[in-house]
Amino acid sequence: DTEVTQTPKHLVMGMTNKKSLKCEQHMGHRAMYWYKQKAKKPPELMFVYSYEKLSINESVPSRFSPECPNSSLLNLHLHALQPEDSALYLCASSQPDWGRDYGYTFGSGTRLTVV
Amino acid sequence: EDKVVQSPLSLVVHEGDTVTLNCSYEVTNFRSLLWYKQEKKAPTFLFMLTSSGIEKKSGRLSSILDKKELFSILNITATQTGDSAVYLCAVEASGATNKLIFGTGTLLAVQP
Repeated sequence: DTEVTQTPKHLVMGMTNKKSLKCEQHMGHRAMYWYKQKAKKPPELMFVYSYEKLSINESVPSRFSPECPNSSLLNLHLHALQPEDSALYLCASSQPDWGRDYGYTFGSGTRLTVV
Repeated sequence: EDKVVQSPLSLVVHEGDTVTLNCSYEVTNFRSLLWYKQEKKAPTFLFMLTSSGIEKKSGRLSSILDKKELFSILNITATQTGDSAVYLCAVEASGATNKLIFGTGTLLAVQP
């Protein structure tokens, strides 16, 4: 299995809703990432988990709450979002150690619309 | 501040043309430079470059890194309409945890 699977593919939520995005990989990667991508812009890093521990939080507002229950799963819990949070949310994974030559593997993303 | 800049921002060519996409960077603790192709959803991995002057090739695509001048190029020969996409350059910075810093991307449109 060489994929990163994200669910759902599309999500529409109101500003008072609570929802979660899910990311799963079975490649044995020990680093997992959340990126946010607005239209016609490059992906922007939000969070990095390394060996199931949060190691980077790029000053993301607390209405986004990441969780890494185990080495294969990464969740992003959403609460009280704003319309400007509408974007494509990409999950990625990689091996955190030196020596690999296959880069980071990205999921297909969740297209989030906040109404 | 870490920065990755790509040029041109967009490019329109005809099938069969050769294109060169550019990526320059100023990143502390450089570890590697990666090229991705993004069509509608997930960026797909093309190349990872860590050493200067060593060309990586995959079919009609090739890439090379210059760590002295801090840039990389991605070449696509004999372009096809299926090459139309956004090409993203990303630099991996090392630290307590490594992270990718993306450039703005180059939008390539290949016309029949």
